[in-house]
Amino acid sequence: DTAVSQTPKYLVTQMGNDKSIKCEQNLGHDTMYWYKQDSKKFLKIMFSYNNKELIINETVPNRFSPKSPDKAHLNLHINSLELGDSAVYFCASSQDLTGSIAFFGQGTRLTVV
Amino acid sequence: GENVEQHPSTLSVQEGDSAVIKCTYSDSASNYFPWYKQELGKGPQLIIDIRSNVGEKKDQRIAVTLNKTAKHFSLHITETQPEDSAVYFCAASSFTGGFKTIFGAGTRLFVKA
Repeated sequence: DTAVSQTPKYLVTQMGNDKSIKCEQNLGHDTMYWYKQDSKKFLKIMFSYNNKELIINETVPNRFSPKSPDKAHLNLHINSLELGDSAVYFCASSQDLTGSIAFFGQGTRLTVV
Repeated sequence: GENVEQHPSTLSVQEGDSAVIKCTYSDSASNYFPWYKQELGKGPQLIIDIRSNVGEKKDQRIAVTLNKTAKHFSLHITETQPEDSAVYFCAASSFTGGFKTIFGAGTRLFVKA
């Protein structure tokens, strides 16, 4: 059983489109995250949620909107996609706010053309 | 803002040799230091971590050291094997209204057989 699963694995779309990436964890963790990894492999946090509540919202364009319908899911919706949004997006989870991020999803490679 | 610097960006060693990756952090409130291994096409995987009340931790061929005064921490891999080849990330975490983890830029390790 995959601990943190995100879909899709690959996403190719045109500029201006709206797309969503889904993430689910089956670990019973309270806290979930979205990270962006650019072409140079740099990992940067975007959002964190704890029990469906937004905790961290880094300097991310408001075209990015996370949604947590329950504590096992944290989806990422992106409006009006731009070329610079191309990256690998990772979902992750931790036991709670003070826990280590032990599990990342496999990543979603987003390519905006 | 908070920053984690990681060196070297690329490291090539012969199988059986040791590899050392070094990181420095800027946020004196950081109290948890995980290390991740990312293989091609996969998400980062936690391999070892150390908390600020400990100076050294070892797990088989992997060891981490922490110097809180100097704000340095390092990953040591002994008897390297080709399957150790991957990108390694250090990170520093602190709890400031939400557990925030800042990643280093990554070290691409090549182990030559």
